This record gives sequence, structure tokens and C-alpha cells, in this order.
Amino acid sequence: QSALTQPASVSGSPGQSITISCTGTSSDVGSYNLVSWYQQHPVKAPKLMIYEVSKRPSGVSNRFSGSKSGNTASLTISGLQAEDEADYYCCSYAGSSTPRVFGTGTKVTVL
Amino acid sequence: EVQLVESGGVVVQPGGSLRLSCAASGFTFDDYTMHWVRQAPGKGLEWVSLISWDGGSTYYADSVKGRFTISRDNSKNSLYLQMNSLRTEDTALYYCAKDKGSGSYAFDYWGQGTLVTVSS
Repeated sequence: QSALTQPASVSGSPGQSITISCTGTSSDVGSYNLVSWYQQHPVKAPKLMIYEVSKRPSGVSNRFSGSKSGNTASLTISGLQAEDEADYYCCSYAGSSTPRVFGTGTKVTVL
Repeated sequence: EVQLVESGGVVVQPGGSLRLSCAASGFTFDDYTMHWVRQAPGKGLEWVSLISWDGGSTYYADSVKGRFTISRDNSKNSLYLQMNSLRTEDTALYYCAKDKGSGSYAFDYWGQGTLVTVSS
């Protein structure tokens, strides 16, 4: 099972919106609405931002939203803020033989 | 408050063995599937293994299958990872993570990780 593909980096100015893509296959992202997204600041543990493609856990800002089309899931951050600068990872259920697969990770830079 | 505290990470030689532990608190441990996820230095996240709430089902990434064994002791609210035949590529920060449950297939709480270094 190969890692899901994410862009290595995405940047934006404060207040702008950015979108991070997460491309898989018909065996993972395309087959299940079970994509989650994680934010990781340097030397910190990852934090759940989105689950089941588009649901936000309690306490996560509504500036974060998720969607999916075909084999590609996306995380959109609107109203970009300095504290959004971090690494972001997607993760998908990929069937019973490989229950979870992560994306390659995207570094978000706030200009 | 949910807390996950990993321990057991050390420097070990290639071919060696190690057992990681994760102490859980703040939730009903035996209601949830638990996971190990690792992150090599400067690299991305890699799912390693999961164990069902009762220990009856376990799954592994191909990279560790046959070498690592996940287990749990619900009476002690603890999760374990027995790591054998260690390779240099197993060097990573190992996180214990709680499954969100309810079919969401997400990790809603993470520990701070324990560092395993495989080196001669």
C-alpha cells in the first residue's frame, strides 16, 4: 500500500484561503468516506482536524473544511492565520489488509 | 482529560528487540481500538499497527509484519508494541494513538511519543 500523495508545500498570505490535496486510489480514498486530516506543529504530536472527509471535531475552528471528489480529498483553510503554519497529513482507511494509510505530508507556510 | 503516555524508547543495535508501552487514562480504555504510528526523523507519519478493543483483532503495516507484535492489557489500561529484529529504518518517534471510534477510522488523541533509535 503506497502513501497517499500530497503536495510538499503550500503557502498563502494571512487572510487568504489555501487548499491541500490528498490523492489516493480507488482502493482507499475513492472507496471510503473515511479520510481524516491532522495538523502537526514542530516537535508536537499530531492533532485531528477533520474526520470522515468533512466533519470537524469539537474545538476545531470552522476555518478548516474538508471535501472529496473521486480519488482525491482536500483540506481547505480559509482566513489563513499565522498559527496555521504547520505540517498537514491526510489519512484514509484502505481496506482490511491495510487499515490505515497516511499521506506524504504538506508544509503550510504563512507568508 | 485523555492522556496517553508512551515509554520504552532507547538506543538498540540492529537485530535487537524492544518493548514499547503506552499508559492510557481519562477514557474507558477497553471501549476503543488503539494504534501505534511512527515518524522517522524529518519524515512523515506512518501507521504501524492497530489492536481492537478486546485484543481479538490485530493488523500491521507490511513494513513491520512478522517482526512487531501489538498487545494490550485492559486491566492495566495499557498498550504495548513488541519490536523484534529491529532495523535501522525502524528508527523513529513512536506514537500511541486512540481511535475515535463509531466507525470514524480517525485518531482523536495522541501521546507525545517515545524515540526508538536503531544503530550500531
